[in-house]
Amino acid sequence: DAKTTQPPSMDCAEGRAANLPCNHSTISGNEYVYWYRQIHSQGPQYIIHGLKNNETNEMASLIITEDRKSSTLILPHATLRDTAVYYCIAVSGGSNYKLTFGKGTLLTVNP
Amino acid sequence: DTEVTQTPKHLVMGMTNKKSLKCEQHMGHRAMYWYKQKAKKPPELMFVYSYEKLSINESVPSRFSPECPNSSLLNLHLHALQPEDSALYLCASSRWTGGSGANVLTFGAGSRLTVL
Repeated sequence: DAKTTQPPSMDCAEGRAANLPCNHSTISGNEYVYWYRQIHSQGPQYIIHGLKNNETNEMASLIITEDRKSSTLILPHATLRDTAVYYCIAVSGGSNYKLTFGKGTLLTVNP
Repeated sequence: DTEVTQTPKHLVMGMTNKKSLKCEQHMGHRAMYWYKQKAKKPPELMFVYSYEKLSINESVPSRFSPECPNSSLLNLHLHALQPEDSALYLCASSRWTGGSGANVLTFGAGSRLTVL
């Protein structure tokens, strides 16, 4: 599975869009990009995933570059409750039972 | 029901005790997982069950013994633990049945274990 690289921390103002980058330059064609987040002392929460196309759901949007080497998670209107560690994970469809978490990005939303 | 329920939320045990962590889901998921998370670290995969059979053991010490009595329940039996085993233990489940499609995990809130 491809290694992902994320900034260790980011800040965002409440009400503004939070754009979290993820680099996965060695991703292969059958590897999905998943985003999970973990609010302090809670279990991780699934946010969104994608393979090739951009995706949007009620929580966020996922923008994957055309070469698939990087992606951006967008929280359109960040709130204080979005403060969490955000994990970007690339894993193939055939072995995605081994979801391996990296260090993630600590997003702090400020009032 | 879209939740994974873990009990107990907190557990304190001595090194000679035997205790169990319990995980339950009623989403019809056929894959269940145990993760361990130390403070300020990401979760680490321990075990994966698929259709009630153990499919992955990430070289976990034998003092941790998983059990999947049916498709809704997952237990983690603990015996002769060490203080360094103190951590948040997370259970998760997914619909995944071994195909090549996406596999989304639903996590419980975790059981916080302290070994004295």
